[in-house]
Amino acid sequence: EAQVTQNPRYLITVTGKKLTVTCSQNMNHEYMSWYRQDPGLGLRQIYYSMNVEVTDKGDVPEGYKVSRKEKRNFPLILESPSPNQTSLYFCASSLIRNTEAFFGQGTRLTVV
Amino acid sequence: TQLLEQSPQFLSIQEGENLTVYCNSSSVFSSLQWYRQEPGEGPVLLVTVVTGGEVKKLKRLTFQFGDARKDSSLHITAAQPGDTGLYLCAGDTGNQFYFGTGTSLTVIP
Repeated sequence: EAQVTQNPRYLITVTGKKLTVTCSQNMNHEYMSWYRQDPGLGLRQIYYSMNVEVTDKGDVPEGYKVSRKEKRNFPLILESPSPNQTSLYFCASSLIRNTEAFFGQGTRLTVV
Repeated sequence: TQLLEQSPQFLSIQEGENLTVYCNSSSVFSSLQWYRQEPGEGPVLLVTVVTGGEVKKLKRLTFQFGDARKDSSLHITAAQPGDTGLYLCAGDTGNQFYFGTGTSLTVIP
């Protein structure tokens, strides 16, 4: 089954404790991206990747890191999480940038 | 300020009513997509429009791309409770891909 898998679904952590949210797709897509979703703001892009070893900043990259060492995986790293990073996070993949995006089920992160 | 502004932000209507959701920008988009998101899930693609003035129909949903490719609308005829969800437009500028602010629709039986 074609899918994007994110883990974990829910995470509560404390300020400053490094964490990684994993994302994996099995569709051989080139384009992958991370979004955060906050009420009234829709989806805002954090980082995106056009292909392996190619990543770039989206609209709200501060406080986040990503890597794309393999085509299927695109982890999101928060080196020192802060409460303003409490949000719902989605990973998405598509064949190329403007084709249909397939989303993971989301990770609800709470930073206390 | 978001690149793609949607209106209204919230909409609550009775079953059987018609509604229109708007997606506006000052930027030109090479293509525009509409997604629907249900609680606890990621967004799912409804349609992609690529030509200025293009109209696409998906059963009771009608999507239009503005002539200047800066805006789009989604019209739902005879809304049903199953239409309830968050509707998101998304556009590609040629350099980057952006999502809109979202419209939360509730259809009351």
